[in-house]
Amino acid sequence: ILNVEQSPQSLHVQEGDSTNFTCSFPSSNFYALHWYRWETAKSPEALFVMTLNGDEKKKGRISATLNTKEGYSYLYIKGSQPEDSATYLCAFKNSSYKLIFGSGTRLLVRP
Amino acid sequence: DADVTQTPRNRITKTGKRIMLECSQTKGHDRMYWYRQDPGLGLRLIYYSFDVKDINKGEISDGYSVSRQAQAKFSLSLESAIPNQTALYFCATSSGTWVPHDEQFFGPGTRLTVL
Repeated sequence: ILNVEQSPQSLHVQEGDSTNFTCSFPSSNFYALHWYRWETAKSPEALFVMTLNGDEKKKGRISATLNTKEGYSYLYIKGSQPEDSATYLCAFKNSSYKLIFGSGTRLLVRP
Repeated sequence: DADVTQTPRNRITKTGKRIMLECSQTKGHDRMYWYRQDPGLGLRLIYYSFDVKDINKGEISDGYSVSRQAQAKFSLSLESAIPNQTALYFCATSSGTWVPHDEQFFGPGTRLTVL
């Protein structure tokens, strides 16, 4: 059984705070790690796809890092805004080419 | 217009009824997927199709069947719905090019309640 674990499960921060959360995945047979952002009542949308150990990706105030040797990825949000409130999903891809999702981190940013 | 659409968006049905959820896409993608999402769990793969003649079981296919009627359409059926199939169902598509980076594009979801 392949487990993808995300922590924390939920997070409440104040507007302007920076925050980060973790995705842990199997370190063997790694192909890619995907991050998705899912706002309530909307479709999950891709944020980043990372494939190489040490990869760092950035989109505005959101960035992500990847460590395939130890099997983890961090997602960082700098200066959180209320519109960042969403569930952040990570998904691991191995040679089966299927995505295996974590249960997500639900972020609430208070004004 | 949305690239991946799902119908219906919400459905309440009774135990034992047959239900079909439909997914259409205008992205021209070959690959299509059905997932279900339950509170506290990640998206779990039910079935996937890499082209019109290809159907594959996912992690939790029991109690479900699918039909890939065309490149753009992928339907999920519950032959005899049961209450533990109450969930949020997502359809997704991907192009299949450069597999590690094969980003999936999701529909808006169908909320199904089985009484």
